[in-house]
Amino acid sequence: DAKTTQPNSMESNEEEPVHLPCNHSTISGTDYIHWYRQLPSQGPEYVIHGLTSNVNNRMASLAIAEDRKSSTLILHRATLRDAAVYYCILRGTSGTYKYIFGTGTRLKVLA
Amino acid sequence: DTEVTQTPKHLVMGMTNKKSLKCEQHMGHRAMYWYKQKAKKPPELMFVYSYEKLSINESVPSRFSPECPNSSLLNLHLHALQPEDSALYLCASSPPDAAGYSPLHFGNGTRLTVT
Repeated sequence: DAKTTQPNSMESNEEEPVHLPCNHSTISGTDYIHWYRQLPSQGPEYVIHGLTSNVNNRMASLAIAEDRKSSTLILHRATLRDAAVYYCILRGTSGTYKYIFGTGTRLKVLA
Repeated sequence: DTEVTQTPKHLVMGMTNKKSLKCEQHMGHRAMYWYKQKAKKPPELMFVYSYEKLSINESVPSRFSPECPNSSLLNLHLHALQPEDSALYLCASSPPDAAGYSPLHFGNGTRLTVT
């Protein structure tokens, strides 16, 4: 199964950009890269996903390396409500629904 | 609020009890998932149903028994659990997209404590 590696924790100041990295060196050519976040006492929440090209939505941007072995989730202006655990996910086996979570990065936002 | 509803929110059960967790979605999704999450750990995949058929079982002990009675409902039947099974049980759903394009929609989970 394709695995992802993320830093355990990161800190950011409020209203500053945050770059959350994820390594996925064993990614297959057809695997989408998904990002989710989990606020305390809630289930994971979808943030963004992409395949090869960089992606933007109202929550964040996703930058994907040209070789697809890493990606970066970008929060353009962190707020206190963005404090959460951020997970980078790949599908484990091509053609199945096997979505495997990485270890996640706990983001702390400082006021 | 999420579009995936899980009940109950909290459950305490003894090791000899039988209980069930319930998950419901009305988004027309045909893939449904059970994940288990221990404190400060990422969710671990347990089961996946696709079109009401079990497609993935991640070698989960038989004391956990999933059931998908229709396209909107997913149950997890629990019997003879151990204290180490205490965890947050998360349900998710997605459109039937084996290509991996569609995002997962999660409920807020059932917090299970086994005494």
